Amino acid sequence: AQSVTQPDIHITVSEGASLELRCNYSYGATPYLFWYVQSPGQGLQLLLKYFSGDTLVQGIKGFEAEFKRSQSSFNLRKPSVHWSDAAEYFCAVADITGGGNKLTFGTGTQLKVEL
Amino acid sequence: GAGVSQSPRYKVAKRGQDVALRCDPISGHVSLFWYQQALGQGPEFLTYFQNEAQLDKSGLPSDRFFAERPEGSVSTLKIQRTQQEDSAVYLCASSPSHGGEKLFFGSGTQLSVL
Repeated sequence: AQSVTQPDIHITVSEGASLELRCNYSYGATPYLFWYVQSPGQGLQLLLKYFSGDTLVQGIKGFEAEFKRSQSSFNLRKPSVHWSDAAEYFCAVADITGGGNKLTFGTGTQLKVEL
Repeated sequence: GAGVSQSPRYKVAKRGQDVALRCDPISGHVSLFWYQQALGQGPEFLTYFQNEAQLDKSGLPSDRFFAERPEGSVSTLKIQRTQQEDSAVYLCASSPSHGGEKLFFGSGTQLSVL
């Protein structure tokens, strides 16, 4: 069965600093990978996804992620963090064998931005 | 509506009560998913519909959990004889495609079982 590990439960960065959130996955075949963001009291919003092709994917709000098969990683990055980026971030891998993209999520990384 | 709507926003139930949680997906969306998110955890898959057909219910924790989508639009998640361990946020998501490559999530229903 697939799994996702987000090793950092909490991360604090200063506004304007760069950000990298780590994600490692376990999946038997070529993975479909996602990053979602969840603000307090809100549903999850898709930031970006990787299905195939270019291993560096661009998303919304200035985020990008790089798929590294050799490291089973899909880390999320942003060059300059804004205070509004404070939220919880979830990495997920999809199981497509059932016909639908059943997502397995990591436990999340809570991002705090210091002004 | 513009997004996925879930009601109620909050639900408090006494242990043993039955509850029904409603999801209004984005109009025309084919796929609908239910997820359960416990405090401090990521969402966990419960069940998946393609139109009115429930194609995957492997994530439902017990036979107390039941979901339906009779007309391929609105969905209801029902939990019978609620237990304290059922306390969580229940998220609904819909997608315009059969595979659900891009999910649109509702804000969830926070269920507290006392």
